[in-house]
Amino acid sequence: EIVLTQSPATLSLSPGERATLSCRASQSISTYLAWYQQKPGQAPRLLIYDTSNRATGIPARFSGSGSGTDFTLTIRSLEPEDFAVYYCQHRSSWPVTFGQGTRLEI
Amino acid sequence: QVQLVESGGGVVQPGKSVTLSCAASGFVFSNFGMHWLRQAPGKGLEWVAGISFDGNNRYYGDSVKGRFTISRDNSKKTLNLQMHSLTAEDSAVYFCAKDGVRSYHPTWFDPWGQGTLVTVSS
Repeated sequence: EIVLTQSPATLSLSPGERATLSCRASQSISTYLAWYQQKPGQAPRLLIYDTSNRATGIPARFSGSGSGTDFTLTIRSLEPEDFAVYYCQHRSSWPVTFGQGTRLEI
Repeated sequence: QVQLVESGGGVVQPGKSVTLSCAASGFVFSNFGMHWLRQAPGKGLEWVAGISFDGNNRYYGDSVKGRFTISRDNSKKTLNLQMHSLTAEDSAVYFCAKDGVRSYHPTWFDPWGQGTLVTVSS
């Protein structure tokens, strides 16, 4: 199975700053990577699919990039509601797997 | 709007069985693959099982293969997960989720239901 490794585990930033989250795959997954945001007590919400496509209703401050094994989620200017846990997920093959998550904290 | 509502969770004894259900609305259920995912308390996300839009293809994670069975009833717009031989390691919030696009291949998950908690304990 493909292993996704996210870094850093925790990212401490302030509102207005830029956040850069990383996801590395154990083998090439082309651009088959999605990003999710999860807040406490809530279900995950899709942010980005296939590396760089924003899901419906996702603000433009969220962007994704990468290909092959290295991927990045960038949040251009953090809003208070962006502080949450972020997960990456590949869809290159079965089984799909998730990274272990990056906690974005104030 | 798309809505997914899970039910069936609760406290289950080790070695016993339970069936989870997910009621779907707001989209053409028979056009999309569906999945079960789980999240143990304080842990990350794990994909558990998936079923194609027509029910002809089923996929399972290694940790549940042979113990869990995913099924769907397109006429009732429901998704089910039969869980057998449960252990403490199966304790988690179980989410159902819809495929991002109609496909036999893996996709992203959008949206997710709010989840139902399964606790395996004596």
